[in-house]
Amino acid sequence: QKEVEQNSGPLSVPEGAIASLNCTYSDRGSQSFFWYRQYSGKSPELIMFIYSNGDKEDGRFTAQLNKASQYVSLLIRDSQPSDSATYLCAPYTGRRALTFGSGTRLQVQP
Amino acid sequence: NAGVTQTPKFQVLKTGQSMTLQCAQDMNHNSMYWYRQDPGMGLRLIYYSASEGTTDKGEVPNGYNVSRLNKREFSLRLESAAPSQTSVYFCASSPRTGLAGSNTGELFFGEGSRLTVL
Repeated sequence: QKEVEQNSGPLSVPEGAIASLNCTYSDRGSQSFFWYRQYSGKSPELIMFIYSNGDKEDGRFTAQLNKASQYVSLLIRDSQPSDSATYLCAPYTGRRALTFGSGTRLQVQP
Repeated sequence: NAGVTQTPKFQVLKTGQSMTLQCAQDMNHNSMYWYRQDPGMGLRLIYYSASEGTTDKGEVPNGYNVSRLNKREFSLRLESAAPSQTSVYFCASSPRTGLAGSNTGELFFGEGSRLTVL
């Protein structure tokens, strides 16, 4: 079992819709969870961070965490074509470094 | 506001050649990392340095060596390049490792170095 699993996509949504990106992880020691966005040919950039169960909202982005189910998700409301990118989930145990999923490619259709 | 700077940005090598990727950060971060990214594989940790003077292996260290030259600089060396090392390499830094439950695990990435080994 991979440490971090994400559907590779592409996930295609129409402009203005809600995009839902999902991530499961295997290490129960994971305490913090990062969502990075990576545009094609660019480096990853942090968009959300969560460490408590429940929801965390930041503008159009909401991260949801369920540690019992070992599941974290990212919702993007009012999706825009500029949101088209690969989204990387990264749990953090406090040891070593972030472990990344392979990412979900999101395509927002105008 | 340089952040994390990597050089070179592009490099083509022949099998068996050696090279060093350089990385420097100006954020006074303690921890530095080297990842590689291959299509469909996500980012995989090669080596990391939790603090100046220490280095540790990551998930895919074979074929690489690293040097934490000082607090700012962390280099990655390929002694004898192989086609399997064709990849995009990212250097990253963070304030420190540990203290899960805070955002100190956040990574700040360089722009990447695209390496092709023929």
